[in-house]
Amino acid sequence: QKEVEQNSGPLSVPEGAIASLNCTYSDRGSQSFFWYRQYSGKSPELIMFIYSNGDKEDGRFTAQLNKASQYVSLLIRDSQPSDSATYLCAVNDRFETAGNKLTFGGGTRVLVKP
Amino acid sequence: SAVISQKPSRDICQRGTSLTIQCQVDSQVTMMFWYRQQPGQSLTLIATANQGSEATYESGFVIDKFPISRPNLTFSTLTVSNMSPEDSSIYLCSAQEGGDGYTFGSGTRLTVV
Repeated sequence: QKEVEQNSGPLSVPEGAIASLNCTYSDRGSQSFFWYRQYSGKSPELIMFIYSNGDKEDGRFTAQLNKASQYVSLLIRDSQPSDSATYLCAVNDRFETAGNKLTFGGGTRVLVKP
Repeated sequence: SAVISQKPSRDICQRGTSLTIQCQVDSQVTMMFWYRQQPGQSLTLIATANQGSEATYESGFVIDKFPISRPNLTFSTLTVSNMSPEDSSIYLCSAQEGGDGYTFGSGTRLTVV
């Protein structure tokens, strides 16, 4: 059973600070990694994805991947109250013949306090 | 990225009945996925639907309970059959477009009474 683990939170962050979210995965063969944001009552929306070890930046968001340690993280810089949401980590077994499906972690709830 | 229209957005159904959820994508996509999200929980994959072949179901989900159709590259339906209160959940469809973009529909909030 492939597993994706996240701290459920809530992660409380002051406005303007950096929010740091972590995700670990069990399958060493996992190839691509996704971060989704989900507001209460809404469907998930893709923030970014990452394939290669290292950092990938997109605006205020930075994803970090370390395949040797089997973790992926998301940094949110200059956190805003509108960033308050649940952040879902997802892993894709891209190269499996029956794959191309995402396995989701349980999500981390982030609260940005003004 | 693809835009997915999902309907109905919500429904209240009597136990023992069935509900069919529809998802329409604004572009042709290879694979579509159906998820369930129970209150306060993460997403659980029900099945993967490829056009022209039988859907592939995850452990714990069976075709008789959740029949899926995928008649073309832009459309899919999920039916929740013989519903019980335990089926009350949010059902989401998702599509993989091109490389690795996975987009979600707006979800169907189902309540079974």
